[in-house]
Amino acid sequence: GAGVSQSPSNKVTEKGKDVELRCDPISGHTALYWYRQSLGQGLEFLIYFQGNSAPDKSGLPSDRFSAERTGGSVSTLTIQRTQQEDSAVYLCASSIAGGLGEQYFGPGTRLTVT
Amino acid sequence: QKEVEQNSGPLSVPEGAIASLNCTYSDRGSQSFFWYRQYSGKSPELIMSIYSNGDKEDGRFTAQLNKASQYVSLLIRDSQPSDSATYLCAVNEKTDSSYKLIFGSGTRLLVRP
Repeated sequence: GAGVSQSPSNKVTEKGKDVELRCDPISGHTALYWYRQSLGQGLEFLIYFQGNSAPDKSGLPSDRFSAERTGGSVSTLTIQRTQQEDSAVYLCASSIAGGLGEQYFGPGTRLTVT
Repeated sequence: QKEVEQNSGPLSVPEGAIASLNCTYSDRGSQSFFWYRQYSGKSPELIMSIYSNGDKEDGRFTAQLNKASQYVSLLIRDSQPSDSATYLCAVNEKTDSSYKLIFGSGTRLLVRP
């Protein structure tokens, strides 16, 4: 079946602009995660959505970052007033029921802030 | 902050050999463990999950878990050049009402033809 999809695959933006990154999880998966991977760095947790529960936003690096999940499916990660240090690959993952289960990653969005 | 430690490598093995990748984790309460493979420029791909002490085999891959020693390993038998990639160990961390994966920094594997 279809995997996790993300768009755009690449985004180049000027410092100070806002960007929106989109994630469409695997159909039927109730849990959705956003991670960030900077060049040469490991994966860093950003935010977790599970069903209709309040999201865990504990990994968001600043208040310029926000995310929402509409209708329990598609999620959008928004970065306001982008900075050069925001340049990274933003990865979305989904899991059938959250918890301790397996997470499957999308192809990622490579964000470059110039 | 919970930690997951891996040797960064590169681990170089000849084609056909067994590659052994190791990972230690700090949270004794962790209950689920994963190995992801990441090719350069690509996203992580799940290759193994393990939840109980002991071995779990899937094709050429065997995951081993020892919760007492807080140690997870991945064995790749009959290594192929196409196995050359970075292997990420991930441990599921539970907070009050949330779960997230804590990743190691990855071990780069090179399989020499």
